[in-house]
Amino acid sequence: EVQLVESGGGLVQPGGSLRLSCVASGNDFSTYSMNWVRQAPGKGLEWVSYISRRSTTIYYADSVRGRFTISRDNAKNSLYLQMNSLGAEETAVYYCARAGFDYWGQGTLVTVSS
Amino acid sequence: QAVVTQEPSLTVSPGGTFTLTCGSSTGPVTSGHYPYWFQQKPGQAPRTLIDDTSNKQSWTPARFSGSLLGGKAALTVSGAQPEDEAEYYCMLSYSGAWVFGGGTKVTVL
Repeated sequence: EVQLVESGGGLVQPGGSLRLSCVASGNDFSTYSMNWVRQAPGKGLEWVSYISRRSTTIYYADSVRGRFTISRDNAKNSLYLQMNSLGAEETAVYYCARAGFDYWGQGTLVTVSS
Repeated sequence: QAVVTQEPSLTVSPGGTFTLTCGSSTGPVTSGHYPYWFQQKPGQAPRTLIDDTSNKQSWTPARFSGSLLGGKAALTVSGAQPEDEAEYYCMLSYSGAWVFGGGTKVTVL
C-alpha cells in the first residue's frame, strides 16, 4: 500500500509563494504519475496539476497555469508544487494523489491571508 | 474549461436505491472521459469508489456501481447504508486535464 504525506502548508500573504511537498512510501515512486488536488474550506474538489513518471508530461488547470509549477524527484520519492502569486481564493487543503487517484495523502492546509 | 454538473443534494431512506449523475457542458459523457466517482466524509480525504466508468476499487462495497446513463455518468447505490451518508464527487477527463463536479451531498435518513 502506498502512503502519501504532504507538507509545506501554512500562512502566506496574498501575492506570496509557497512550496508544497509530498513524500511517498515504497520503492516504486518512479513508476507512477502524480496529481495535486485542492479543496477550499467547505467547498468542492478542484484538480490542480498532473505530472508523469519521468516528468515528460505535465498538465495544469486553467486557474493555476503560469503561476504553479509541479515537479518531482524520483530519487527522493517526492512530488512538489511551487505556488506563486497566491490569492485569497486559493486558501485550501492541498492533496497529492497517485495517478489513478487510488491513493491520497491527508492534505496540507494553505491559508492565503494578510 | 468544461463544467461538470452533479445534483446538489439527495436524501435516501436506509435500504433504498439511489442514482447520482454527472454531466458535461461539452456534450454527452462517454467512456473517453474515464469517469471517476469519489466519496468524501467530513474531515477525511476523498476515497475513490469507481474509475473508468464502472471499475470498482478493491475496497468499494458491492452495492456501488458505475455506468453511463442517458449521456451522463452515473453512480448507483443499491441498498443504502447509514455509512453511505457523505459527499460524492464525479470527475471527468478532458485531454489530460481533470475536472470535478460540484459534488452531491447524500443524506441517509
